[in-house]
Amino acid sequence: DAGVTQSPTHLIKTRGQQVTLRCSPKSGHDTVSWYQQALGQGPQFIFQYYEEEERQRGNFPDRFSGHQFPNYSSELNVNALLLGDSALYLCASGRRRAGQGHFGPGTRLTVT
Amino acid sequence: AQTVTQSQPEMSVQEAETVTLSCTYDTSENNYYLFWYKQPPSRQMILVIRQEAYKQQNATENRFSVNFQKAAKSFSLKISDSQLGDTAMYFCAFMSVTGTASKLTFGTGTRLQVTL
Repeated sequence: DAGVTQSPTHLIKTRGQQVTLRCSPKSGHDTVSWYQQALGQGPQFIFQYYEEEERQRGNFPDRFSGHQFPNYSSELNVNALLLGDSALYLCASGRRRAGQGHFGPGTRLTVT
Repeated sequence: AQTVTQSQPEMSVQEAETVTLSCTYDTSENNYYLFWYKQPPSRQMILVIRQEAYKQQNATENRFSVNFQKAAKSFSLKISDSQLGDTAMYFCAFMSVTGTASKLTFGTGTRLQVTL
């Protein structure tokens, strides 16, 4: 049984560019959440998707957007990248209202 | 808004000893979940233990147990018989469930070093 998977593992982008990160939830899970973890800090909630809709959003600008597909996989898009967007981006999956115990390995984004 | 506080930035314990990591939280909700996550240098966030707020019994997973004090809003993690593989960052997290959404609020973490 595959757990949560994320791609790519590492990514280097230039300031002003756009990036797309991908997440496949654990089998049987229908809810996907995205978190940003800056170096030395705890993860910060970006948003959560369920039934292909954004259900809740953290304190992140509109440059951060997402999508959930019918197979429950999800994408995180970040436009007009800033140096401060450099972080580990974590995806977590779960079942509706049942928590998000399962995290993927993360995507390390570096903006230069 | 919920907040989670971990007041111990770093801790050290000898192998086979017991260590307790502290966590306090602030919320006005009555129905929520609490978690401890482990994040080793590989960066994979691993669920260690989970507690439902409506359950009075403290959760236990092998060498890991919690002391959940709902009135005091305290949720500490005890690691017994510490092993070198327990070396990692440990994050306490709070999850509220509202409507169809649930989000995790994390503390700042405690770096645990297990030594020989």
